Amino acid sequence: TQLLEQSPQFLSIQEGENLTVYCNSSSVFSSLQWYRQEPGEGPVLLVTVVTGGEVKKLKRLTFQFGDARKDSSLHITAAQPGDTGLYLCAGQGSGTYKYIFGTGTRLKVLA
Amino acid sequence: DAGVIQSPRHEVTEMGQEVTLRCKPISGHNSLFWYRQTMMRGLELLIYFNNNVPIDDSGMPEDRFSAKMPNASFSTLKIQPSEPRDSAVYFCASRFSGGPRDTQYFGPGTRLTVL
Repeated sequence: TQLLEQSPQFLSIQEGENLTVYCNSSSVFSSLQWYRQEPGEGPVLLVTVVTGGEVKKLKRLTFQFGDARKDSSLHITAAQPGDTGLYLCAGQGSGTYKYIFGTGTRLKVLA
Repeated sequence: DAGVIQSPRHEVTEMGQEVTLRCKPISGHNSLFWYRQTMMRGLELLIYFNNNVPIDDSGMPEDRFSAKMPNASFSTLKIQPSEPRDSAVYFCASRFSGGPRDTQYFGPGTRLTVL
C-alpha cells in the first residue's frame, strides 16, 4: 500500500515568515500533485511535478520533486494570511490513474 | 464554466435512511472520481469512472455504498442504509484524462451527518 506522510501536520506562523512542508513516501510515483483546500471547499490543484528533481515556482511557492520521485517539498516565501489552508500532496503510481492523497498539513498564517 | 456541481451541500439524516449524493462533472471531462474526507482518514478515493464506466470501486467501504454514472453529465453515490460512521464530506472530482499533468477539479463537497 502506498502511503504519503506529510510533515508537519500543523503549522502556525507569523506573516512574512518562510516555511517548508514535506511529503514523503517509500514508494516511487510517476507524478505528484500539490493541492490547497480552504474550509468548506474542495481541494484546488496548485502544481503537478513529473520529472525527478523537477522544480516549479508559483509566485511565492516553490515545489520540488525528489530525484528518486519518492518525496516532494513545498516552500512558501514570505507567507501571507491568504496562504492559510490545508495543503495536500497526492502521488500517482506508475501505470495507474489513482492519486493517493497525503495526510495533509494545516497551515495558519497570522497577520 | 460552472465547475463541478454537487448537491446537496449539506445532508443530515438518521441512521438507517437512504442517502443519495449527486454530481455534475465539468462538460467534456471523461473521468469522474468520488472521494470521502474525514479527519481520521483524510481524503480517500471511493470509486473511479472513465467514459461513464466504473473502472475501480475497490475503495467503496462495503455493499451499503453504490455509485452510478448513467451519462457523461451526471453521477450519484448512494448509501443504503446509512450509519453514523458514514458521516464525512464527500467530494466529486472530474478531469479530462490526457496525460500526467491533467488537472483534477473538485466540487465543493457534500457534508453528510448521520445521526
